[in-house]
Amino acid sequence: GQNIDQPTEMTATEGAIVQINCTYQTSGFNGLFWYQQHAGEAPTFLSYNVLDGLEEKGRFSSFLSRSKGYSYLLLKELQMKDSASYLCAGSTGGFKTIFGAGTRLFVKA
Amino acid sequence: GAVVSQHPSWVICKSGTSVKIECRSLDFQATTMFWYRQFPKQSLMLMATSNEGSKATYEQGVEKDKFLINHASLTLSTLTVTSAHPEDSSFYICSAGAGMGNQPQHFGDGTRLSIL
Repeated sequence: GQNIDQPTEMTATEGAIVQINCTYQTSGFNGLFWYQQHAGEAPTFLSYNVLDGLEEKGRFSSFLSRSKGYSYLLLKELQMKDSASYLCAGSTGGFKTIFGAGTRLFVKA
Repeated sequence: GAVVSQHPSWVICKSGTSVKIECRSLDFQATTMFWYRQFPKQSLMLMATSNEGSKATYEQGVEKDKFLINHASLTLSTLTVTSAHPEDSSFYICSAGAGMGNQPQHFGDGTRLSIL
């Protein structure tokens, strides 16, 4: 079966660091995506992890542990514009991607 | 710039109308495109996989006669919501992969469908 879990909502302060966790159980797992989605807009790609470990890309970093079925997205130096939903998604091969429900992040001043 | 174009972005129509949504890959060929549906504050739900030159593969619970998918060329897939009713009102998004293997999907801007 396919199951992706992530917190529903998180709140953080501008300039701070926030970690959004994701656990997954997907058959035929290949890799883990993170997307950002602002309200009323389509998702935009943030990161893709295939191997275990941390991948850093500017203010955003993503971590994957395949053995634990666990990933997190780390956002540093939070800005107000980072307020959005963050979608954890599992790739199961052949382009098919299964999305979690998303974590709505609220950044406050 | 956008690599996947989706049109129209907003549709409001009467119940019983059929609505066609287009999804185009702009600078690459996409043998496979995906159609998603998203209700407010909910996740993207995969509706179907659109395969160029063959029938679409629908996810469980999605009516193929209700949501017609045509992928006639390597750059265009269409989703037609037939005889739409208010419960079909939703945000529909298409996506396409630009390469082989597990590449990130490029999403269209989405179509907000409102059935009165």
